[in-house]
Amino acid sequence: DAKTTQPPSMDCAEGRAANLPCNHSTISGNEYVYWYRQIHSQGPQYIIHGLKNNETNEMASLIITEDRKSSTLILPHATLRDTAVYYCIVSPYNTDKLIFGTGTRLQVFP
Amino acid sequence: GAVVSQHPSRVICKSGTSVKIECRSLDFQATTMFWYRQFPKQSLMLMATSNEGSKATYEQGVEKDKFLINHASLTLSTLTVTSAHPEDSSFYICSAREPSSYEQYFGPGTRLTVT
Repeated sequence: DAKTTQPPSMDCAEGRAANLPCNHSTISGNEYVYWYRQIHSQGPQYIIHGLKNNETNEMASLIITEDRKSSTLILPHATLRDTAVYYCIVSPYNTDKLIFGTGTRLQVFP
Repeated sequence: GAVVSQHPSRVICKSGTSVKIECRSLDFQATTMFWYRQFPKQSLMLMATSNEGSKATYEQGVEKDKFLINHASLTLSTLTVTSAHPEDSSFYICSAREPSSYEQYFGPGTRLTVT
């Protein structure tokens, strides 16, 4: 079973920040938080990952709480092309196995 | 970034026949590849881990005799759906991680329709 809980859907206005929460209260010390997204009828795409520090790349920022029990993915300026299902996954770094939960369907509207 | 391809992208077959789906890592070698299945409006379900040169490891509930996986080289894994039935109709996706990277690359998926 997936170890994460995400809201099933969210809306965001184009140009605004999209903040997607994820609860992973049973995360272990050696598990990383990964975010992937899946645009309709395509394979998932990697976004970002982190262990305990906040991370930022060209796509998004990842904020992990100090107790590591939850995190938030931030898309700073959402565009229509960011409409997708976003998956938060916890997994040990030394394994490639990814168990997908139900994800959050983000709808960006004009 | 690294690229994973799948072939075919779509396939329609008759009930009772077998279908082979190929997954290739185009610019890197992958000792391990993964196969997922996704039904409409559902999440990806991991089916099996494909290991180069050895037997695949199947997730609980996945029939290994029905979903045959072969990982004959470091760039190719195949999934054969044997004696396909309409309930096998689904979106099949493979993935692999480039050894020097932390991100996993997914193929574009293969949509199988069994009539």
